[in-house]
Amino acid sequence: DTAVSQTPKYLVTQMGNDKSIKCEQNLGHDTMYWYKQDSKKFLKIMFSYNNKELIINETVPNRFSPKSPDKAHLNLHINSLELGDSAVYFCASSQVTGTGNTIYFGEGSWLTVV
Amino acid sequence: GQSLEQPSEVTAVEGAIVQINCTYQTSGFYGLSWYQQHDGGAPTFLSYNALDGLEETGRFSSFLSRSDSYGYLLLQELQMKDSASYFCAVNSGNTPLVFGKGTRLSVIA
Repeated sequence: DTAVSQTPKYLVTQMGNDKSIKCEQNLGHDTMYWYKQDSKKFLKIMFSYNNKELIINETVPNRFSPKSPDKAHLNLHINSLELGDSAVYFCASSQVTGTGNTIYFGEGSWLTVV
Repeated sequence: GQSLEQPSEVTAVEGAIVQINCTYQTSGFYGLSWYQQHDGGAPTFLSYNALDGLEETGRFSSFLSRSDSYGYLLLQELQMKDSASYFCAVNSGNTPLVFGKGTRLSVIA
């Protein structure tokens, strides 16, 4: 069973389109994230949600809108896609424990904007 | 603000030992984590240090010095499958992990 699953895995779309990436975790974690990894492999946090509440929004354009219908789901909607949005988007979840904060990543969604 | 520095590339011979260093600057600090990412794959958790000292997990060990804002990942008995990118990351209070830019390790025969 996949702990953090995201769909679609690959997405090719034209500039100006609107697209969504869905994410679900079955680990019972309270916190979920979206990360963006660019072509240089720099991994950067975009959003963090804790129990459906937005707690981090790291200077992401407002074309990106996360939605968390419940604590097991965190979807990412992107409006008016631009060439620079081409990247790998990773969903992740975590649960803070006494031993730290281990993040579990999904397999990634490869977005190509043409 | 928060920032992490780690070397961009390291090359080592199969069977050898390699150390990947990480220095960080952060306004709050809970611990330092290390993640491995193979090409085309997702980052996977390797280790976490909240306290100073060495944590050992099989062939991998991680070290932290909070006073020096410094840590490292030590990989022993290198195998070809260890060729991957390695990221250090900090957890600062309620702020999720902030990742370094990654070190690409190439293991050669």
